[in-house]
Amino acid sequence: DGGITQSPKYLFRKEGQNVTLSCEQNLNHDAMYWYRQDPGQGLRLIYYSQIVNDFQKGDIAEGYSVSREKKESFPLTVTSAQKNPTAFYLCASSTGTAEPRYGYTFGSGTRLTVV
Amino acid sequence: AQSVTQPDIHITVSEGASLELRCNYSYGATPYLFWYVQSPGQGLQLLLKYFSGDTLVQGIKGFEAEFKRSQSSFNLRKPSVHWSDAAEYFCAVAGGFKTIFGAGTRLFVKA
Repeated sequence: DGGITQSPKYLFRKEGQNVTLSCEQNLNHDAMYWYRQDPGQGLRLIYYSQIVNDFQKGDIAEGYSVSREKKESFPLTVTSAQKNPTAFYLCASSTGTAEPRYGYTFGSGTRLTVV
Repeated sequence: AQSVTQPDIHITVSEGASLELRCNYSYGATPYLFWYVQSPGQGLQLLLKYFSGDTLVQGIKGFEAEFKRSQSSFNLRKPSVHWSDAAEYFCAVAGGFKTIFGAGTRLFVKA
């Protein structure tokens, strides 16, 4: 079955460390997204990518970085510059940003905690 | 600018009772509208979507939603709630490259 796989499900980061969250999809979707979810704040867009080797900042990109070297993969790195990284991170994909009518497919998320 | 408001942070309904979750949006053109559901610790699942045609749309799990342009609303309804419907529900509006999500409404179901 097609879908999005996020790993790990839980991740712990020490102060000053960079960590990378994995997101892989086998839906043949062009567009991929990273969202951050905090209680009571809904979902906030971190980065998105419409095509391989191209990505754009979202609303809260500071302290994060991404790459899109393969269509299937869109890893997110949370750098030490992100001062409050504890959150639930969701990866999503869609057929294309020019065709928003179909909605998103989401992964099951990664919960990142700073220790 | 796009925006989505879900006025109710949480709602409690009895099992078997009807449900209506409210959503108001702001968008300059005809929007693409969505409802998603999220169980604790999980990702979001698409319940239903509207982008044209009949203003009453049917979704999965017995949910439906009605688009009312005059009220800028897209409320989610279910005639009879089951205990398994307890979750958080998000309304979303899409236009161009961006989808904006509401803050969510948490549904509690009491026996």
